[in-house]
Amino acid sequence: NAGVTQTPKFQVLKTGQSMTLQCAQDMNHEYMSWYRQDPGMGLRLIHYSVGAGITDQGEVPNGYNVSRSTTEDFPLRLLSAAPSQTSVYFCASSYQRGGPGELFFGEGSRLTVL
Amino acid sequence: AQKVTQAQTEISVVEKEDVTLDCVYETRDTTYYLFWYKQPPSGELVFLIRRNSFDEQNEISGRYSWNFQKSTSSFNFTITASQVVDSAVYFCALSQPYGNKLVFGAGTILRVKS
Repeated sequence: NAGVTQTPKFQVLKTGQSMTLQCAQDMNHEYMSWYRQDPGMGLRLIHYSVGAGITDQGEVPNGYNVSRSTTEDFPLRLLSAAPSQTSVYFCASSYQRGGPGELFFGEGSRLTVL
Repeated sequence: AQKVTQAQTEISVVEKEDVTLDCVYETRDTTYYLFWYKQPPSGELVFLIRRNSFDEQNEISGRYSWNFQKSTSSFNFTITASQVVDSAVYFCALSQPYGNKLVFGAGTILRVKS
């Protein structure tokens, strides 16, 4: 099993450019989410989804869009990149059985916005 | 609102020392879940443990042990006889019973020197 696959692993953008971080999971998990990791701040939730067609905002959603058209895919779109969006992004998936299961994370995508 | 505090930003120990990483959480929920994750220098996030609020038994897994105390809202992690391979960033996280929306602490950097 591939688990959670994120692409690209590295990306450099100029301010104002847009891009999409791709995330796919093959474990048939209901839940998928995007986190960003910044030094000294741990991981913060950007957006999450509890199933196909259902998404909601997390703690830091501004500047990002998501959609969940299938169970497997959960892309994260940066609409107009800003230097404050320089970060490492992690996609995660999980199940819910008798409570939240462990998050399975992708390898991360390091984004630099100049 | 939920909050996780890992007051120790960085800890350095010499190999074979025991080390405890502190985690204090805040929540108004009576049912919640606590997690620990490890992030080695390679950057991936590795699940270590999941514990629900009704299970206050301490857990031991090899050199790792966890002490959950609801009275002090703490979920501390101890590594016995630390090894260089334990060097990593360790995150404590908290979740409500549904939605798998984890709130992470800022993380503790553990450096184990040989």
